[in-house]
Amino acid sequence: AQTVTQSQPEMSVQEAETVTLSCTYDTSESDYYLFWYKQPPSRQMILVIRQEAYKQQNATENRFSVNFQKAAKSFSLKISDSQLGDAAMYFCAYLDRGNQFYFGTGTSLTVIP
Amino acid sequence: KAGVTQTPRYLIKTRGQQVTLSCSPISGHRSVSWYQQTPGQGLQFLFEYFSETQRNKGNFPGRFSGRQFSNSRSEMNVSTLELGDSALYLCASSFQGMNTEAFFGQGTRLTVV
Repeated sequence: AQTVTQSQPEMSVQEAETVTLSCTYDTSESDYYLFWYKQPPSRQMILVIRQEAYKQQNATENRFSVNFQKAAKSFSLKISDSQLGDAAMYFCAYLDRGNQFYFGTGTSLTVIP
Repeated sequence: KAGVTQTPRYLIKTRGQQVTLSCSPISGHRSVSWYQQTPGQGLQFLFEYFSETQRNKGNFPGRFSGRQFSNSRSEMNVSTLELGDSALYLCASSFQGMNTEAFFGQGTRLTVV
């Protein structure tokens, strides 16, 4: 089974600064998808960014970007110009070919005004 | 466009009882997946339904079952409830599978006493 590891249970960042959340995964598959989801106190999981494993180019969505290192099985999320609304639990997720998600344990991000 | 709707939002049940949770996906979405979220185990995949058929199943006991109706609405049933079943149950819908964008509901918080 695939495993996803988020080694940072908690992170904090000053408003307007940049923060990077780490994620590593283990798989023997070559074709898969990786995601970052955000879960605010409202509990609803919100898609932040998605990366297809066959694409070498790192995905970017406005202030959010990833550093995808396929050989190292690493998928970190960079949040630039952090805003108060970015405070949430962030989950890294691996999606296998059977459409099953494997989630990391999450990183709780605090944004300091 | 309405989002994914889960009902009820909160539920308290007694050990040994059974419970049914409902998930209405976004209109046009045919894939519905269910996840259990607990502080100890994190987010774990329960099962996925597509066009009324279970396509994939996680590693949960047979007390956990589900179904999907012709309008893509899905229900999840847990029989003979145990204290350890207390969790947030999340449902996600997507057009064809989670590799296309998946949208999550706000979850049903189940407490077993």
